[in-house]
Amino acid sequence: GAGVSQSPSNKVTEKGKDVELRCDPISGHTALYWYRQSLGQGLEFLIYFQGNSAPDKSGLPSDRFSAERTGGSVSTLTIQRTQQEDSAVYLCASSFVQGENEKLFFGSGTQLSVL
Amino acid sequence: AQSVTQLGSHVSVSEGALVLLRCNYSSSVPPYLFWYVQYPNQGLQLLLKYTTGATLVKGINGFEAEFKKSETSFHLTKPSAHMSDAAEYFCAVSEYGFQKLVFGTGTRLLVSP
Repeated sequence: GAGVSQSPSNKVTEKGKDVELRCDPISGHTALYWYRQSLGQGLEFLIYFQGNSAPDKSGLPSDRFSAERTGGSVSTLTIQRTQQEDSAVYLCASSFVQGENEKLFFGSGTQLSVL
Repeated sequence: AQSVTQLGSHVSVSEGALVLLRCNYSSSVPPYLFWYVQYPNQGLQLLLKYTTGATLVKGINGFEAEFKKSETSFHLTKPSAHMSDAAEYFCAVSEYGFQKLVFGTGTRLLVSP
């Protein structure tokens, strides 16, 4: 596609349920990022994938959060046993060239609401 | 640790007026600095970035920002606001290039006729 695609755009779930959020990066982009934007907060780094390297998971807030990237393309962010504080917009971004010419392209996000 | 402070969650200007969105950062090493814009129902888009070299950076849509190391600031300006500039603007800092960008809480720019 022309841009980073995220699905679903909105997700409402009950506390304690598991959710999966999907990100389709721009074709050929080797780097993929997940961020979280909570109400009144800045964007919070969650996880970073670069090529075949081990992902940087240092931003994941708890072990209920995990992410994978299959075939160097599509990524899924999974939140287990969701809590109300998980409610936020989850943003995915991808990029190709590293260094000063690198440019991040963001998706429109998934709005997660945990009731 | 790096951090970003954006002063003012909302800024209101009249069409044609100067736009000034403030950003101060904290970083232990020379930072990379960014401004992103988010239009309603759209993803974030890069407006401009500072990496090295010239401290006055020009971006898209007539925006520019100046890196002032002594003030640890990277304020965003535009000489004349347009209605289409109404959006949310995020300042970000990184000590590792584009990895682990740390974003501010954002400033919503409102432009009145």
